[in-house]
Amino acid sequence: NAGVTQTPKFQVLKTGQSMTLQCAQDMNHNSMYWYRQDPGMGLRLIYYSASEGTTDKGEVPNGYNVSRLNKREFSLRLESAAPSQTSVYFCASTSKNIQYFGAGTRLSVL
Amino acid sequence: AQTVTQSQPEMSVQEAETVTLSCTYDTSESDYYLFWYKQPPSRQMILVIRQEAYKQQNATENRFSVNFQKAAKSFSLKISDSQLGDAAMYFCAYPGGAQKLVFGQGTRLTINP
Repeated sequence: NAGVTQTPKFQVLKTGQSMTLQCAQDMNHNSMYWYRQDPGMGLRLIYYSASEGTTDKGEVPNGYNVSRLNKREFSLRLESAAPSQTSVYFCASTSKNIQYFGAGTRLSVL
Repeated sequence: AQTVTQSQPEMSVQEAETVTLSCTYDTSESDYYLFWYKQPPSRQMILVIRQEAYKQQNATENRFSVNFQKAAKSFSLKISDSQLGDAAMYFCAYPGGAQKLVFGQGTRLTINP
């Protein structure tokens, strides 16, 4: 079972470049989430999607956009990357109050 | 806003001994879940155990158990017979609405052989 799949696993960007982080889940979950994890900290919510066609801001949404493409896929876009966005990004989906996480994407912005 | 506090940035324990990681949270809800996640060096977030607040019985999963004190808003994780593979960051988490999670800052657990 694939579960939650994130691509890419690693990415290096220059300041001002754009990129999209991809996330897909094969568990037929309605809710999906994007978190970021900075060194020495827990995960903080960027955006979430309670169901297909809906998205909402989390704790740290500035500088990001999301798209819930369909029930399976939830992408996170950085339009103009900044060094402050250097972090590890996790996608998750939820069923029965349990969140299942992808393996994470390590992003460095130089 | 809901907050989750882990007051122990680092803990260490001898292999085969028992260790307890602390977590406190703030909520006005009466029915909710609480979670402990493990994050090994691979970065993968792994659910260790969850507790339903309306259940008085503390959750147990093999060597992992919780001490849930609802009135005190305390949710500690006990690891018995510690193994080298238990070394990781441990995060306490509480649902902040819409099933999204609010995480504590984590406790880094080291197992000494």
